[in-house]
Amino acid sequence: DAGVIQSPRHEVTEMGQEVTLRCKPISGHDYLFWYRQTMMRGLELLIYFNNNVPIDDSGMPEDRFSAKMPNASFSTLKIQPSEPRDSAVYFCASSFYGGRAREQYFGPGTRLTVT
Amino acid sequence: AQSVAQPEDQVNVAEGNPLTVKCTYSVSGNPYLFWYVQYPNRGLQFLLKYITGDNLVKGSYGFEAEFNKSQTSFHLKKPSALVSDSALYFCAVRDSSNTDKLIFGTGTRLQVFP
Repeated sequence: DAGVIQSPRHEVTEMGQEVTLRCKPISGHDYLFWYRQTMMRGLELLIYFNNNVPIDDSGMPEDRFSAKMPNASFSTLKIQPSEPRDSAVYFCASSFYGGRAREQYFGPGTRLTVT
Repeated sequence: AQSVAQPEDQVNVAEGNPLTVKCTYSVSGNPYLFWYVQYPNRGLQFLLKYITGDNLVKGSYGFEAEFNKSQTSFHLKKPSALVSDSALYFCAVRDSSNTDKLIFGTGTRLQVFP
C-alpha cells in the first residue's frame, strides 16, 4: 500500500498566482480530508468528502479556496489568488468507513510558500 | 461541542524514564479517542485509538494510553522513553453521535534527552 500521496511536496509561488495541490487517497478509502497546519493556528480541517461528495466545507477560509474530488482516487485543493498568509503545510488524509471509529491516514503534506 | 485540550506545549524527559503526554476531552456522546505522532517534515502517523472496552489501549512503538471517563482524560504513556520518540504528539476525539470529523488538540512536543 503506497499510502496517501500528495503533490507537489513543496510549492513556492508569488502572491496572486493560482496554486493547485493534489492528493491521491488510499485505494478503497471513501473519506478524504484536507487540513492546513501553521505554527499560529495548529492543525485546521478545511473540508472533507465522503464518496467524492463534499460534506463539510465550513473550515475553508474564504472564497479563494476551493476543493474538488472528481473521482475516488483524486482530489485537488486550489487557491486563487494566493496570498502570503496562505503559507502553510497542507495535508490530505483518508479513511475507510469500516466500523465505529475510523482512524485517518495522512499524506506527507505540501509545504506552500507564497511570497 | 467537541473539544480536546493538551495542556502542555512541551514535555521533557530523560531517555529510559517513563513519559506521559496529557490529553483531556469534551464530547456530548461517547468518545472515540486517538493519538497521532508527527516527526519533522512528515505527516501525522496513527499511534492508537480507544473505542470501547479495556481502558488501557496499546499501540505502536511501545506506546499505550489510558482512558479515564470520570476525568475525561486519555493520557499517552510509555514506560521507557527513547531519544527517537522525540516528536510532536496530537490527541484527537470524535463524538460517537457526530459525523466523521476528528477534533485535534494543539499538540505537545516531546523532547527525550540522552
